[in-house]
Amino acid sequence: EDKVVQSPLSLVVHEGDTVTLNCSYEVTNFRSLLWYKQEKKAPTFLFMLTSSGIEKKSGRLSSILDKKELFSILNITATQTGDSAIYLCAVTYTNDYKLSFGAGTTVTVRA
Amino acid sequence: ETGVTQTPRHLVMGMTNKKSLKCEQHLGHNAMYWYKQSAKKPLELMFVYNFKEQTENNSVPSRFSPECPNSSHLFLHLHTLQPEDSALYLCASSQASGATLYEQYFGPGTRLTVT
Repeated sequence: EDKVVQSPLSLVVHEGDTVTLNCSYEVTNFRSLLWYKQEKKAPTFLFMLTSSGIEKKSGRLSSILDKKELFSILNITATQTGDSAIYLCAVTYTNDYKLSFGAGTTVTVRA
Repeated sequence: ETGVTQTPRHLVMGMTNKKSLKCEQHLGHNAMYWYKQSAKKPLELMFVYNFKEQTENNSVPSRFSPECPNSSHLFLHLHTLQPEDSALYLCASSQASGATLYEQYFGPGTRLTVT
């Protein structure tokens, strides 16, 4: 059975802290790993990772994939209260339209 | 605004009602999806349509019936739902090339409450 596991489930930090979120997976026919941010309703796309070791960056957010150890991390530096959200990771498959999500990590940034 | 709209945003229905959720995407994508998000559970993929053809039905009960008249519109018809069907229903769209799936863009969701 395919698994996508995110850790921690939740965390609380103060503004300015750095946060590291983990997503590990055990799936067959892996193609890519996606990160989303969900604040109130719709998840918004952050990153798509297909290759190992290539860091993707967007402002204070960055992410990297390790296809040998089957995990990805999402880093948020200099956190702000607007970073408070649920962060979701998902995997896509080759030759399949399925998308499997992890349970998410709830990040709360306190002023 | 993500380019994917959903209506209604909130819906309360009794177990004997029939209602429909609507999704429209303005991104020129060719694949559309329905997801269910319940409290404290991962997003669950329900249905996938690629070029109007249903390519995935993730063991969803028949009281949920999808319809995709064209690549821009997707409906979810609801009939004799149960209270445990109360959840946030999210629509998404993406490009799909052959069997390759690209990143999905989500609508704001419909918060459904079944009484």
